[in-house]
Amino acid sequence: EVQLVESGGGLVEPGGSLRLSCAVSGFIFNSYWMHWVRQVPGKGLVWVSRINTDGSVTTYADSVKGRFTISRDNAKNTLYLQMHNLGAEDTAVYFCVRDTSMARVYFDYWGQGILVTVSS
Amino acid sequence: SYVLTQPPSESVAPGQTATIACGGNNVGRKSVHWYQQKPGQAPVLVVYDDSDRPSGIPERFSGSNSGNTATLTISRVEAGDEADYFCQVWDSNSNVVFGGGTKLTVL
Repeated sequence: EVQLVESGGGLVEPGGSLRLSCAVSGFIFNSYWMHWVRQVPGKGLVWVSRINTDGSVTTYADSVKGRFTISRDNAKNTLYLQMHNLGAEDTAVYFCVRDTSMARVYFDYWGQGILVTVSS
Repeated sequence: SYVLTQPPSESVAPGQTATIACGGNNVGRKSVHWYQQKPGQAPVLVVYDDSDRPSGIPERFSGSNSGNTATLTISRVEAGDEADYFCQVWDSNSNVVFGGGTKLTVL
């Protein structure tokens, strides 16, 4: 059974940092591109970042570029999102997402999501 | 940047057919994917590549895509189909793009 389990969320002050983790199981992790998608509660889905199978290629939404870093540890079957200089606009539920890694980019498995709240 | 536009809400009576539109410039030239999200849950892929269904998704869910509009169609709507629906594409300039979402209400 494919599972993606996020952790590391919580309350952080503006300007602070946080690292999200996503532990995966049930599939060959190093064969799939992975993404982070976020969602302000009650609002729409917003793509944040993606990483290729060996971690050598990363892409970011303009809104997080220079502040967030996506990475992966294939030996540990874990995806990460390091977030710096957080602002209120980063408050959201963050989903770890598996890319089908076919020619078209879409997502077949999602984690349950982890809430990040940026507030003083 | 590429934009996908969805109506904020749609409503349908049980047993009827729901259609949810997703508009974008020449979206017919892209592959469109659809997700269903129920309150408090993660999204679930219900249609990919315009009209294909993942295993486990009922045949009642179908999709089409042409010109500037992609459409998700849900036939014989059930109470359990009440959810938010999001369309999504990949754009080489904008990366992953989601529509704003449509809240489907089953009357």
